[in-house]
Amino acid sequence: QTVVTQEPSFSVSPGGTVTLTCGLSSGSVSTTYYPSWYQQTPGQAPRTLIYSTSTRSSGVPDRFSGSILGNKAALTITGAQADDESDYYCVLYMGSGIVVFGGGTKLTVL
Amino acid sequence: QVQLVESGGGLVKPGGSLRLSCAASGFTFSDYYMSWIRQAPGKGLEWVSYISSSGSTIYYADSVKGRFTISRDNAKNSLYLQMNSLRAEDTALYYCARVSYTSSWYFFDYWGQGTLVTVSS
Repeated sequence: QTVVTQEPSFSVSPGGTVTLTCGLSSGSVSTTYYPSWYQQTPGQAPRTLIYSTSTRSSGVPDRFSGSILGNKAALTITGAQADDESDYYCVLYMGSGIVVFGGGTKLTVL
Repeated sequence: QVQLVESGGGLVKPGGSLRLSCAASGFTFSDYYMSWIRQAPGKGLEWVSYISSSGSTIYYADSVKGRFTISRDNAKNSLYLQMNSLRAEDTALYYCARVSYTSSWYFFDYWGQGTLVTVSS
């Protein structure tokens, strides 16, 4: 059973920088997993932020960036704003149409 | 613009059945793979099922395999999820999502607003 790991929670000060990570219970995340990231605020559907590791979806501000850091995928928010306070989910593609969601990270901006 | 509108959710008893629908518009539905994704109350997102553009290839999460059936009608621009033998743990908001898939990426580029399924006696 593949488990995708994310920090349960994180906090950042307004204007600060935060990096959320996405790992595998066994093994390393690489670009071949096509990591993607989604933002979800309470009561709303998820919004696509990043796909294919580091490509920003249309309309996503450039303060959001994606990368591979060590053996994990990473989402970095530079210059965090109050409305970045959300849940963030990563998704890894396992092949054959199967994906696994991470458990999500609740980001607090304070 | 792309729109995905789910319907069919509701309250059902354990062991019961429900059929969800997702009406798609604003794009050529038959060109895209589609998925169902769910979110239990207060919990994270969970991938449920995937169907190829023609409907010939289908995959399910282990948690629903043998109980749920995904299908599509490209003539009606609609995606479906037939859910049988429902359990309390199937209680969730069910989203349909469009899949963007190439040799370089695989991700969900559009999501509906979801339809709530509650399984309770």
